[in-house]
Amino acid sequence: GESVGLHLPTLSVQEGDNSIINCAYSNSASDYFIWYKQESGKGPQFIIDIRSNMDKRQGQRVTVLLNKTVKHLSLQIAATQPGDSAVYFCAETGPGNNRKLIWGLGTSLAVNP
Amino acid sequence: DAGITQSPRHKVTETGTPVTLRCHQTENHRYMYWYRQDPGHGLRLIHYSYGVKDTDKGEVSDGYSVSRSKTEDFLLTLESATSSQTSVYFCAISEIAGLDTQYFGPGTRLTVL
Repeated sequence: GESVGLHLPTLSVQEGDNSIINCAYSNSASDYFIWYKQESGKGPQFIIDIRSNMDKRQGQRVTVLLNKTVKHLSLQIAATQPGDSAVYFCAETGPGNNRKLIWGLGTSLAVNP
Repeated sequence: DAGITQSPRHKVTETGTPVTLRCHQTENHRYMYWYRQDPGHGLRLIHYSYGVKDTDKGEVSDGYSVSRSKTEDFLLTLESATSSQTSVYFCAISEIAGLDTQYFGPGTRLTVL
């Protein structure tokens, strides 16, 4: 049955600090990875993506790191702001699963002013 | 929300009644998806479409059917709603399957009593 009330992992940071959100992905054949942000009451919103031929990709205030050796993905947010408070999801896909996205369970980021 | 609307946004219904949720896009994207989101389970794919009249099952398709008669519309039907189908339902679209980002609608909160 469903795990009603299961709490998400939570990361609490001070405004202005850097945040690092981690994700362990499941399939070594996955070749495309995405980070999404979901604010309360809204749909997930694309943040940044990375393909498996890269180790690092930078966006505006965000950096994604990919370590294929240990199947680990991380999202770094620089100078975290209150507006960054949300649930963050990683997702992976690859040729072995018909290109459907496999979603992580999410991490809740709380930014303290 | 990238030109994606969902209707209704909220619905309360009774066990055993049929329910249809609608997703409408103005982006002319080929792929459309229906997900459900529940605490402890993250996002789970119900059905997806890779073109008009072309649909396939996701990981939690039992009790759901879909139809896509036009590029812009993707309907999700619960033939006989059950309390276990109480959830938040999200529609998403993408141009390419699994190699680009999916854009999400605002969601429909469905409660089955």
